[in-house]
Amino acid sequence: NAGVTQTPKFQVLKTGQSMTLQCAQDMNHNSMYWYRQDPGMGLRLIYYSASEGTTDKGEVPNGYNVSRLNKREFSLRLESAAPSQTSVYFCASSGGREAFFGQGTRLTVV
Amino acid sequence: GQQVMQIPQYQHVQEGEDFTTYCNSSTTLSNIQWYKQRPGGHPVFLIQLVKSGEVKKQKRLTFQFGEAKKNSSLHITATQTTDVGTYFCAGPRNYGQNFVFGPGTRLSVLP
Repeated sequence: NAGVTQTPKFQVLKTGQSMTLQCAQDMNHNSMYWYRQDPGMGLRLIYYSASEGTTDKGEVPNGYNVSRLNKREFSLRLESAAPSQTSVYFCASSGGREAFFGQGTRLTVV
Repeated sequence: GQQVMQIPQYQHVQEGEDFTTYCNSSTTLSNIQWYKQRPGGHPVFLIQLVKSGEVKKQKRLTFQFGEAKKNSSLHITATQTTDVGTYFCAGPRNYGQNFVFGPGTRLSVLP
């Protein structure tokens, strides 16, 4: 049972480049989330999806887009990466109680 | 907006000492959850508290939910090096189906 799988684990981008972070869960959860984690800032919600076909903005959505491709997959896209988006990104899913997190993607924008 | 705060931000203890982290919400919560994140790892769910004044124990960890359901604490008795990590509290957001996390308390345990 894989739980929540994120790819890639590490990524270095140049300013202005685009990329998509992939996330998939195999727990049949309705809700999926994207968080970013910066030192001393805790986990800040970027976007979430309460169910297949719906997405909503979180606390820090600017510069990001998401797609809930199906119930399993929730991707996060950076259209034009900026150094301020250097962070660790976590995908999570929930079946209504606790959140299950992926291993994280460490993104550096230079 | 809705906020969840935690104190302290950092705590260094000698192995065997006790440790407590406190969580305070700006709004009443229907429940509160605690997560642990090991260095370099991802947050892992520890427990959920639902009832006012609830106390739950997991071995050396004791979790409390305040009477007003706006605060919570996590107490670790006789810390061990395996307790190292960042402890987050989280509550359901007032709008939408998602969580709001506190900034976390980073615990270091010196052997």
